[in-house]
Amino acid sequence: ILNVEQSPQSLHVQEGDSTNFTCSFPSSNFYALHWYRWETAKSPEALFVMTLNGDEKKKGRISATLNTKEGYSYLYIKGSQPEDSATYLCAFNNAGNMLTFGGGTRLMVKP
Amino acid sequence: EPEVTQTPSHQVTQMGQEVILRCVPISNHLYFYWYRQILGQKVEFLVSFYNNEISEKSEIFDDQFSVERPDGSNFTLKIRSTKLEDSAMYFCASRADRGDNTEAFFGQGTRLTVV
Repeated sequence: ILNVEQSPQSLHVQEGDSTNFTCSFPSSNFYALHWYRWETAKSPEALFVMTLNGDEKKKGRISATLNTKEGYSYLYIKGSQPEDSATYLCAFNNAGNMLTFGGGTRLMVKP
Repeated sequence: EPEVTQTPSHQVTQMGQEVILRCVPISNHLYFYWYRQILGQKVEFLVSFYNNEISEKSEIFDDQFSVERPDGSNFTLKIRSTKLEDSAMYFCASRADRGDNTEAFFGQGTRLTVV
């Protein structure tokens, strides 16, 4: 059983704050690490697919880093906005075809 | 933008009944998946499907479950005799290929409630 953990489980921040959360995953048999943004009643939306150690990806105010040797990825949100409120999921892809998900970080941004 | 669509959005069924959850993956995608999330738990892999056959399945995907791609566009998950513990949100996903960099696109889910 692959262990993918996310922390914190939930986070409340004020509009304008920058924030980050962590995904930890097994460091062996690594193929890719996926980040998703999931709003209630909508489809999980792919943010990043990261494959290389040291990778850093950015989409607007959201960025992510990857350390495959130690088995963690950080997701950063700069200047949080209320519309960033969602659950952020990471998913680990090993040699198989499936994604193993973390429990998610639920972000709430107060105006 | 192309999307994965799932129907129905919510299904209520009696224990022991059969249910079929339907998905229309993105049209040029080749790999198809079902995942589920029981309330309060992590999203879990059920099955992957490629070239008209199951390529991988989890321990959850027992003989009560089956998948089919009957007509080249729909991808269905059937639960033969539902149990209370099958109540969950079921997600369909598709990918264009198996490349490391390839995103999986998810549908909005079907909430299955077994009573």
